Amino acid sequence: EDQVTQSPEALRLQEGESSSLNCSYTVSGLRGLFWYRQDPGKGPEFLFTLYSAGEEKEKERLKATLTKKESFLHITAPKPEDSATYLCAVQEASGTYKYIFGTGTRLKVLA
Amino acid sequence: EAQVTQNPRYLITVTGKKLTVTCSQNMNHEYMSWYRQDPGLGLRQIYYSMNVEVTDKGDVPEGYKVSRKEKRNFPLILESPSPNQTSLYFCASSLRGDGEQYFGPGTRLTVT
Repeated sequence: EDQVTQSPEALRLQEGESSSLNCSYTVSGLRGLFWYRQDPGKGPEFLFTLYSAGEEKEKERLKATLTKKESFLHITAPKPEDSATYLCAVQEASGTYKYIFGTGTRLKVLA
Repeated sequence: EAQVTQNPRYLITVTGKKLTVTCSQNMNHEYMSWYRQDPGLGLRQIYYSMNVEVTDKGDVPEGYKVSRKEKRNFPLILESPSPNQTSLYFCASSLRGDGEQYFGPGTRLTVT
């Protein structure tokens, strides 16, 4: 069964304290892996798409990497405004275009 | 402004009373999808549509119907809602089936 597991469930960081969020997945073949950010009471907001192992993408303090079994979202010198829930989703390289989301990592950055 | 809109934003209804949640996008996107979000279970896909008149099941389609008669609209229909369909619902669209999705603001549904 296709699965997406995110860890940790919750993370508290001091402002400036870098860390990484993990997304591990089991699909028979990966079409794409997606990272989203969700603020309380709002819809998810797209961050990155990764398509193949070894690929990396960066945006401000965020960097996403991909291996054959997992993806990491690295947060460098986070600020309080980075506090949010970060969601990972995968799409299998099959005939369907279904998405499977993980349950997310709730990040709190303290000033 | 490019956006996905959903209506209503909040809805309280009773078991068995048919309801429709509308979703509309103004970006000429091919792909549209419905999700429900529940604590501890995350976002789960209900149905998706690759184009007009083309729909397919996600992971949790039971109890829901969809239709895609126009490219911009993708309504979610609950023919006979039950309390286990109480949830936060999101509509999303993307230019193509494997691209970044734009999410609507959500519809909080309570079925009593």
